[in-house]
Amino acid sequence: AQSVTQPDIHITVSEGASLELRCNYSYGATPYLFWYVQSPGQGLQLLLKYFSGDTLVQGIKGFEAEFKRSQSSFNLRKPSVHWSDAAEYFCAVGASLAGGGADGLTFGKGTHLIIQP
Amino acid sequence: SQTIHQWPATLVQPVGSPLSLECTVEGTSNPNLYWYRQAAGRGLQLLFYSVGIGQISSEVPQNLSASRPQDRQFILSSKKLLLSDSGFYLCAWSLQGAGTEAFFGQGTRLTVV
Repeated sequence: AQSVTQPDIHITVSEGASLELRCNYSYGATPYLFWYVQSPGQGLQLLLKYFSGDTLVQGIKGFEAEFKRSQSSFNLRKPSVHWSDAAEYFCAVGASLAGGGADGLTFGKGTHLIIQP
Repeated sequence: SQTIHQWPATLVQPVGSPLSLECTVEGTSNPNLYWYRQAAGRGLQLLFYSVGIGQISSEVPQNLSASRPQDRQFILSSKKLLLSDSGFYLCAWSLQGAGTEAFFGQGTRLTVV
């Protein structure tokens, strides 16, 4: 079965500094990978996704992520964070569900990003 | 454009009471529909998914059930709530086909007291 590990529960970054959130996955086939962001009490918003092709993918809000098959990683990066980036970030891998006919997302436990002024 | 509506936003229910959470999608046909639960520190857990009307698959055994009476309507129910049912419930939809991303509703915060 697939799994996602986000090793950092909390990360604190100063405003204007660079950011990297780590994500490692376990999946037997070529993965579909996603990063979502969640503001407090809200639903999840898709930041970016990797299906195939270029391993460096660009997303919304200035985020990017790099797929590294050899390391089973899909780390999220941003060169300069803003206070509005404070949120919960989830990495997910998409896989076919047991019943067939649909893909489901397996999520990591999330990384809480705190921005210091 | 497609939109997803989920209600209510918050709900406080006593133990043993019934539950009904509703989710509807607009602007698309025959979507895959999902119910996730988010517990503190545990990420999101897929509870149910549906690929069509009346077709429900459960990912984990639990006190909850789901139904899809119409193409774009997904309902999460319980006959008798338990304290452990408290959490943040998220409905999502995706297009049919492999590898498509899911789009989430705003969630329902359920507190069972």
